[in-house]
Amino acid sequence: GAGVSQSPRYKVAKRGQDVALRCDPISGHVSLFWYQQALGQGPEFLTYFQNEAQLDKSGLPSDRFFAERPEGSVSTLKIQRTQQEDSAVYLCASSLAMTHQYSITDTQYFGPGTRLTVL
Amino acid sequence: QKEVEQDPGPLSVPEGAIVSLNCTYSNSAFQYFMWYRQYSRKGPELLMYTYSSGNKEDGRFTAQVDKSSKYISLFIRDSQPSDSATYLCATGLPSNTGKLIFGQGTTLQVKP
Repeated sequence: GAGVSQSPRYKVAKRGQDVALRCDPISGHVSLFWYQQALGQGPEFLTYFQNEAQLDKSGLPSDRFFAERPEGSVSTLKIQRTQQEDSAVYLCASSLAMTHQYSITDTQYFGPGTRLTVL
Repeated sequence: QKEVEQDPGPLSVPEGAIVSLNCTYSNSAFQYFMWYRQYSRKGPELLMYTYSSGNKEDGRFTAQVDKSSKYISLFIRDSQPSDSATYLCATGLPSNTGKLIFGQGTTLQVKP
C-alpha cells in the first residue's frame, strides 16, 4: 500500500512568512510524529500525536511552531513568521502502535520530507 | 553532550569491503536501538532494531549492542554501491510517546 506522503516536497519562504506542511500517514496508523532534520544532522523530535491527541510537543522549538491532527489522520505542521534558522527538512513518520514498549508494531515509517528554505 | 554520538564520516570504501558503523549513547536507560538508512532526498527507512545486548543478523547486516559500554554498531558485509547512503543510529525508551533520539548519521560511499 501507499507509504507516508508529505507535501509540498520543497518550500521556499521569505523570512516572516507563514508556512503549512502537510503529512498523510499510512492508513490506520495511530501514531504520528514530526521530526526536524537540519543539514548534516540526524532527525530531531518535534511532536507526537496519538490519533487526534497531541501527547507530546516538547520538541517544538518555539511558539511559532504549531501542529494539529484534527481527525486523527492527516496532520499539518505550521510555522509562523519563519526565520532563517527554520530552514531544514521536516519529516513526518507514522506507526501502527498506540503504546510504545517497542515491538515491530512500533516501527516508524517516514515520509520523504518537506525541504523548507527560508530566505 | 548529545545523548547519541555518531561519527559523521564521510566513509568511503571499495565494493566488497566490510563496513563498520558505530554510535555511543549516554543514557543507560535506553532500551531499544535501531539503525535507519537514508538515501539522498528520501526519508529514513528502518534497517534493523534490537533491544538486547549481543548480535542480530539480517542478511549482509549485523547489529551489535554492548550495553555495558553504551556502544552500538552496524556491520555491512560484502558492501555494494547500492549501500551508499547515510546510516542513522537511533534509540529510545518505552514511553507514552515513542519518540526516537537519533545520532548525527554517517555518510557511506561504496565505490565500484
